[in-house]
Amino acid sequence: KNEVEQSPQNLTAQEGEFITINCSYSVGISALHWLQQHPGGGIVSLFMLSSGKKKHGRLIATINIQEKHSSLHITASHPRDSAVYICAAPGSSRLTFGEGTQLTVNP
Amino acid sequence: NAGVTQTPKFQVLKTGQSMTLQCAQDMNHNSMYWYRQDPGMGLRLIYYSASEGTTDKGEVPNGYNVSRLNKREFSLRLESAAPSQTSVYFCASSEVDGRGNSPLHFGNGTRLTVT
Repeated sequence: KNEVEQSPQNLTAQEGEFITINCSYSVGISALHWLQQHPGGGIVSLFMLSSGKKKHGRLIATINIQEKHSSLHITASHPRDSAVYICAAPGSSRLTFGEGTQLTVNP
Repeated sequence: NAGVTQTPKFQVLKTGQSMTLQCAQDMNHNSMYWYRQDPGMGLRLIYYSASEGTTDKGEVPNGYNVSRLNKREFSLRLESAAPSQTSVYFCASSEVDGRGNSPLHFGNGTRLTVT
């Protein structure tokens, strides 16, 4: 069993829809990361959070430490949100990454 | 402010050839990392350097060597490339250690094909 698991693996939505991507982890953490990988391959850090909720524009990340679960929400989705979204959790000696969720938002 | 600069962007090698991937960051970060990304798998850590002068093996270090040349630069060397090393390689840096306690900043990646 992977230490970090994401669902769904693939997600297709229509423009304007509310999107949720889930991440479950089995390691104890100090902070969980959400990353975005653009179609061109570049990776950017979206959020690092250790409790509660963080918001940046139309993106919202939440975490429940007791349940070892985090969600990434996108409100009013847009085709430019199409990307791979990756969560990562610190392990005992390194950051462990999920396999990513491929999001496609159609106009 | 360039962030993390990684070169080359693409490379094709024949089995047995060697090459060095270069990485430099201008954010004065202490920690630097090399990851590989393969289809169906998450990013996997090859080597990391928690601070200038130190390097440590990650999850998949076999076939690779690294050099933390100074605080800015961290290179990855393939001494004798193998087809199993065909992958996309990412360099990253963070302000503090590799356990995920500060945000990661990534380079744009190197797509390596070994034939």
